[in-house]
Amino acid sequence: SQTIHQWPATLVQPVGSPLSLECTVEGTSNPNLYWYRQAAGRGLQLLFYSVGIGQISSEVPQNLSASRPQDRQFILSSKKLLLSDSGFYLCAWVGHGNTEAFFGQGTRLTVV
Amino acid sequence: LAKTTQPISMDSYEGQEVNITCSHNNIATNDYITWYQQFPSQGPRFIIQGYKTKVTNEVASLFIPADRKSSTLSLPRVSLSDTAVYYCLVHSGYALNFGKGTSLLVTP
Repeated sequence: SQTIHQWPATLVQPVGSPLSLECTVEGTSNPNLYWYRQAAGRGLQLLFYSVGIGQISSEVPQNLSASRPQDRQFILSSKKLLLSDSGFYLCAWVGHGNTEAFFGQGTRLTVV
Repeated sequence: LAKTTQPISMDSYEGQEVNITCSHNNIATNDYITWYQQFPSQGPRFIIQGYKTKVTNEVASLFIPADRKSSTLSLPRVSLSDTAVYYCLVHSGYALNFGKGTSLLVTP
């Protein structure tokens, strides 16, 4: 069966520090991968998606970047965090040719 | 990219049927309509998907009129555990935009 792993679950980082969140999927190949952010009490904002290794589409220009170094690995990064980067970050995958999205457990990021 | 509009919040009592309507006036021919449920501090979970007419599964029904410019998620006999945010998505491409959803509160 397919599973998605996202870590860490919680993270507290100072302003100006770098960020690296990792997401991996098991049990499938060539998935579409997604990064979302949810600010407190807000909806889900699509940040990046990827349809293949090295292919990244950015939905919202911001202080973040994404990379897909392997088929089932998706990384969200920042060189210098801002207070406004705080939020709940979710990784998701969609099977090739399918439409249902499966989400990881999320990372609660607090920038202080 | 089809834009969706749903109520910000809804309230219901246990045991009632809840209908959440989503408007998507500029839905494209290839777009599907999908609904997700999200509990606090969790990722959304797929509920149901449809293209036209009516779709029913073990947890919900989805009604889509002929013009497909709206859709209604129907939750039969809600319980307290159905308190969550419900998102309507209209999509055909790779980008899955969730929007702000409808916050449903079920009370005794």
